[in-house]
Amino acid sequence: GESVGLHLPTLSVQEGDNSIINCAYSNSASDYFIWYKQESGKGPQFIIDIRSNMDKRQGQRVTVLLNKTVKHLSLQIAATQPGDSAVYFCAERKTSYDKVIFGPGTSLSVIP
Amino acid sequence: SQTIHQWPATLVQPVGSPLSLECTVEGTSNPNLYWYRQAAGRGLQLLFYSVGIGQISSEVPQNLSASRPQDRQFILSSKKLLLSDSGFYLCAWISRGGSYGYTFGSGTRLTVV
Repeated sequence: GESVGLHLPTLSVQEGDNSIINCAYSNSASDYFIWYKQESGKGPQFIIDIRSNMDKRQGQRVTVLLNKTVKHLSLQIAATQPGDSAVYFCAERKTSYDKVIFGPGTSLSVIP
Repeated sequence: SQTIHQWPATLVQPVGSPLSLECTVEGTSNPNLYWYRQAAGRGLQLLFYSVGIGQISSEVPQNLSASRPQDRQFILSSKKLLLSDSGFYLCAWISRGGSYGYTFGSGTRLTVV
């Protein structure tokens, strides 16, 4: 079946270092791939998305890379800050009814 | 501005009791609406989605139901709660053709005891 999953369930980084969160997907029938950040007790918050016909998109301190050849998605966070500590989900948006399918999530912990 | 409201924030209900969670969206019309459930320490599972008034699609068989009585109102219900219904329930919306993913509500933490 289709799925979006993560290689690493937890990630600890030193404050100021760059973070890379990886994600593998198995179904290519999606128009967008999306990264969400979820802080404890809150709903997921949109970070950045990338259209399926692109391979890189940059935001403020974040970059998403999409490698369709190996079906791999990554989120890079530059100069990681304590406020970046959260669970990060990759997700894919289906063209059918705009449904978004989430991966299991990875926890990012920033060490001061 | 576009906002999404979800309530209550927390709920403790006994097994066998009914459930009604409400979600409303403001500042938009004709949104696609979605209900997700998140078990502790896990990802989000899509439960229901709606593309219009009275139009409900279920993604997984379960003890829950959903309704959309008005364009910007989405309700999640159960006649008799099970212990396994405990979790964090999230409502989300997306404008038609939007490219920015979902906007989520603040969620309801449901504990069935």
